Amino acid sequence: DTEVTQTPKHLVMGMTNKKSLKCEQHMGHRAMYWYKQKAKKPPELMFVYSYEKLSINESVPSRFSPECPNSSLLNLHLHALQPEDSALYLCASSQVYRGGQGETQYFGPGTRLLVL
Amino acid sequence: QQQVKQSPQSLIVQKGGISIINCAYENTAFDYFPWYQQFPGKGPALLIAIRPDVSEKKEGRFTISFNKSAKQFSLHIMDSQPGDSATYFCAASGRGTSYGKLTFGQGTILTVHP
Repeated sequence: DTEVTQTPKHLVMGMTNKKSLKCEQHMGHRAMYWYKQKAKKPPELMFVYSYEKLSINESVPSRFSPECPNSSLLNLHLHALQPEDSALYLCASSQVYRGGQGETQYFGPGTRLLVL
Repeated sequence: QQQVKQSPQSLIVQKGGISIINCAYENTAFDYFPWYQQFPGKGPALLIAIRPDVSEKKEGRFTISFNKSAKQFSLHIMDSQPGDSATYFCAASGRGTSYGKLTFGQGTILTVHP
């Protein structure tokens, strides 16, 4: 099973709202990722967690706050977002990078976020 | 040096034809080259991937050709079908990239006409 699930599928929020995106995988992967994807563009990496610890933050604004409660779950907390943050938010997981070979990342279906 | 350049941006093919998408990279530390297929409103799905120790990998109608000396790799879709109409992204990762960070090409929108 190579499934990564994400909830909700769609989210509409105002600029003053607080919401959270959820991602789950049961493949035993210990690396999990958040990406942002705009229309007709490739995914842009936001955060990487390795063994439940934040490994990479690609200079993402603080209105995005990631959390990894356990090895299967990844959350992205959203607060005071801007309309330009509207995008498809993708979660992915993989085996932990072993310092010599890239590892396959499996993507979830994404959450389509609209900020009004 | 971290870029992956993908071409063409868009491709129109007749049903039964061959679709070819090309990618080029600069970073010789890359050692893993996946291709992802993405349908509108969906997440990218791994299609096929190759490591530089082989020059070609085939899975069904999909083939990756890899030219290490030229630092190029390509996706060939044989007998293209309308259901193959999607956006295709090449990517690369490997040594020198933190935590297997994927560097994506800009994507190719493939349209297969019936």
